[in-house]
Amino acid sequence: SQTIHQWPATLVQPVGSPLSLECTVEGTSNPNLYWYRQAAGRGLQLLFYSVGIGQISSEVPQNLSASRPQDRQFILSSKKLLLSDSGFYLCAWSGKNRGRYGYTFGSGTRLTVV
Amino acid sequence: AQSVSQHNHHVILSEAASLELGCNYSYGGTVNLFWYVQYPGQHLQLLLKYFSGDPLVKGIKGFEAEFIKSKFSFNLRKPSVQWSDTAEYFCAAAGFSGGYNKLIFGAGTRLAVHP
Repeated sequence: SQTIHQWPATLVQPVGSPLSLECTVEGTSNPNLYWYRQAAGRGLQLLFYSVGIGQISSEVPQNLSASRPQDRQFILSSKKLLLSDSGFYLCAWSGKNRGRYGYTFGSGTRLTVV
Repeated sequence: AQSVSQHNHHVILSEAASLELGCNYSYGGTVNLFWYVQYPGQHLQLLLKYFSGDPLVKGIKGFEAEFIKSKFSFNLRKPSVQWSDTAEYFCAAAGFSGGYNKLIFGAGTRLAVHP
């Protein structure tokens, strides 16, 4: 069965420090991968999506970047965190079939920038 | 631009009351529609989804949603809520265009059910 792992679960980082959040998927190949951010009172915002290795599309301009070095690995990064980067970050994957079987989400990372 | 709107940000109900959460979408082309739920401290879970066919979709835990194409709506309903339905509910739409199928969420509705 397919599983998605996301870590760390919680992270407190000072302003100006770098960030690296990792997401891996098991049990499937060539998935579509997504990073979402859930800010308090603002719902879920799509940050990046990827349809293959090295292929990244950004939905909103921001202080973050994403990379997909391997088929089932998706990394969210920042060189210098801002206070506004605080939030709950979710990784998700879907198949190539128009999401017919839904999107599966990881357990999320709660990032607090102090 | 693609978007999903949820009309109610906070809803408070008593147990056994009926529930309807509004959702409208703006999406060119064929769209798939979803409702997700996030219980306190838990992951996002899929409640139900619509792709084609019968516009009345039944999901888990007694929830259903009706797709009305002419109104671009996909409202979530439950005839009688329980305290355990307290959660945040997200409507989402996915369109397949240009080789991508990306999921866009509404802002969410926080439902509180009082016993």
